[in-house]
Amino acid sequence: SQELEQSPQSLIVQEGKNLTINCTSSKTLYGLYWYKQKYGEGLIFLMMLQKGGEEKSHEKITAKLDEKKQQSSLHITASQPSHAGIYLCGADMEYGNKLVFGAGTILRVKS
Amino acid sequence: DVKVTQSSRYLVKRTGEKVFLECVQDMDHENMFWYRQDPGLGLRLIYFSYDVKMKEKGDIPEGYSVSREKKERFSLILESASTNQTSMYLCASSYAPGRDSYEQYFGPGTRLTVT
Repeated sequence: SQELEQSPQSLIVQEGKNLTINCTSSKTLYGLYWYKQKYGEGLIFLMMLQKGGEEKSHEKITAKLDEKKQQSSLHITASQPSHAGIYLCGADMEYGNKLVFGAGTILRVKS
Repeated sequence: DVKVTQSSRYLVKRTGEKVFLECVQDMDHENMFWYRQDPGLGLRLIYFSYDVKMKEKGDIPEGYSVSREKKERFSLILESASTNQTSMYLCASSYAPGRDSYEQYFGPGTRLTVT
């Protein structure tokens, strides 16, 4: 969606390296969701952010929402092959739970 | 754990056929959604439903219809399948906004090929 830009489109990192994926909205967000998808499968929910400046972590993955609630970043520390997949951000722009999704970031981790 | 199931993982249909994709959730969620996913385009919302017999068009409803006769079941119907409907179809469900958490839970997807 042009309302939600996700970058980069793809990423190849060496195992053990850190990486960041960004998601930028043209509108203020009521909620920002991060999902992970293995190729050919459904989406797995990672985290939801709602408040400006909010930060959440799960294992080695940290997500932040900026103060203006228009940009989010997903940071993976010490990447592992199990982190490989497609990462998608989904944004609630109208408080109705109809999410707009970014195009996704394909992550490959080389061991 | 929330479980969202879809009737088929892979489906091959001919042009002009009527196609039914079914989705069932077991968490008593009010909202249910149908998306299609295409390379480079991400997920696009086809239809969603916020209650039994209630539906609302998403971004790309043309060529599709839906049915929700029971709270746990949401069907996507391709009235006359065309090759440009070849795609990955994903179903999702969630609580209505206002609950503590209303993230969408996704099914495993149905890869539909129309020949």
